[in-house]
Amino acid sequence: AAGVIQSPRHLIKEKRETATLKCYPIPRHDTVYWYQQGPGQDPQFLISFYEKMQSDKGSIPDRFSAQQFSDYHSELNMSSLELGDSALYFCASSPYQGTEAFFGQGTRLTVV
Amino acid sequence: GDSVTQMEGPVTLSEEAFLTINCTYTATGYPSLFWYVQYPGEGLQLLLKATKADDKGSNKGFEATYRKETTSFHLEKGSVQVSDSAVYFCARHNSGGSNYKLTFGKGTLLTVNP
Repeated sequence: AAGVIQSPRHLIKEKRETATLKCYPIPRHDTVYWYQQGPGQDPQFLISFYEKMQSDKGSIPDRFSAQQFSDYHSELNMSSLELGDSALYFCASSPYQGTEAFFGQGTRLTVV
Repeated sequence: GDSVTQMEGPVTLSEEAFLTINCTYTATGYPSLFWYVQYPGEGLQLLLKATKADDKGSNKGFEATYRKETTSFHLEKGSVQVSDSAVYFCARHNSGGSNYKLTFGKGTLLTVNP
């Protein structure tokens, strides 16, 4: 069965650089979520989209932005990267809001 | 706000031992409840779910029952295996309204020794 695809799997950036993470949800899923997971931490909600519109916002820094495109894939843009942004970034999708979310393998971002 | 509280780990068991990981949630709205498992270096995998009171989710020998009266969703397995070693996250998801996100507990690291 198709799963959530995230790219890249690993990314190394320098401080103050910009990073773009991509997420391709499971076909026919209309909701996408982004989470950030620090080492040994639980996933922290960043932002979600329903039918290409932002539906909820969590603890996402102003330096980050995200959008969902007409083909339902989503991108998380991160600017002015800081060392503290180093983490695993997960994307998840749901067939409709309020149901279980299926997670991708994540993108490990390292800021040096 | 919405929150999930899990028993703190780590939990270390011998193979074939009985497992319980406690989870309680805040009683706001009508949440769906989930257990996710994360193996080392991997993403979160849905283990089981329950969408209303008294529902029992089960998968791979794991079970959890949605208890509205105690606002709990404890994870249990009768006989754990070494391959069950992972981090387990309890999570809640609101049904209805405009708050479409999963809220996770802090996670419980389970290590099963042969």
